[in-house]
Amino acid sequence: GNSVTQMEGPVTLSEEAFLTINCTYTATGYPSLFWYVQYPGEGLQLLLKATKADDKGSNKGFEATYRKETTSFHLEKGSVQVSDSAVYFCALSDRYRGSTLGRLYFGRGTQLTVWP
Amino acid sequence: EAQVTQNPRYLITVTGKKLTVTCSQNMNHEYMSWYRQDPGLGLRQIYYSMNVEVTDKGDVPEGYKVSRKEKRNFPLILESPSPNQTSLYFCASSPSHAPPGNTIYFGEGSWLTVV
Repeated sequence: GNSVTQMEGPVTLSEEAFLTINCTYTATGYPSLFWYVQYPGEGLQLLLKATKADDKGSNKGFEATYRKETTSFHLEKGSVQVSDSAVYFCALSDRYRGSTLGRLYFGRGTQLTVWP
Repeated sequence: EAQVTQNPRYLITVTGKKLTVTCSQNMNHEYMSWYRQDPGLGLRQIYYSMNVEVTDKGDVPEGYKVSRKEKRNFPLILESPSPNQTSLYFCASSPSHAPPGNTIYFGEGSWLTVV
């Protein structure tokens, strides 16, 4: 079956520190991989995505590379800011009955807190 | 503006009193779904719908019903709510026929407390 495992939080960093949030997945086919971010009191927003092996998704200084050989999609940012404090979810989507879109499978989320 | 709108955003109700959380999207998306978010468990899918009159169970459908009579609306129905359904609920939508990795749009969430 399909599943996503991401590192448990909370993660607490000082401003300008380097961030890594690990994410590994199990999938039966060729999934697309996503990172979603949830700021306090808000819904989920797509942060970045990758649709095939070796693709790198990037947005707002965050990056993640789709690694098929290690079934991983780790989120990284070189220098975090206080405004990055949020919950981060790794997710994958499979195919549904031959279509290109399927359901999303989420990790449990990682709370990131950045201190000034 | 592309939107997924859920109502109510906040609700406290009593055990056994039927309630409906509405979800509406203005993007003409075929695919819609409901998730619940619980601490330490992430988001789990309750039900999803690939198109009008096509619905299917997700991971945690027990205690919930859905309907998809119109493309834009996908209400979540709790016929007899129980305290273990206290959670944060998200509705989501997306086009169903699109390149892989198509963006899924989420509503802002509905906080439901069952006492």
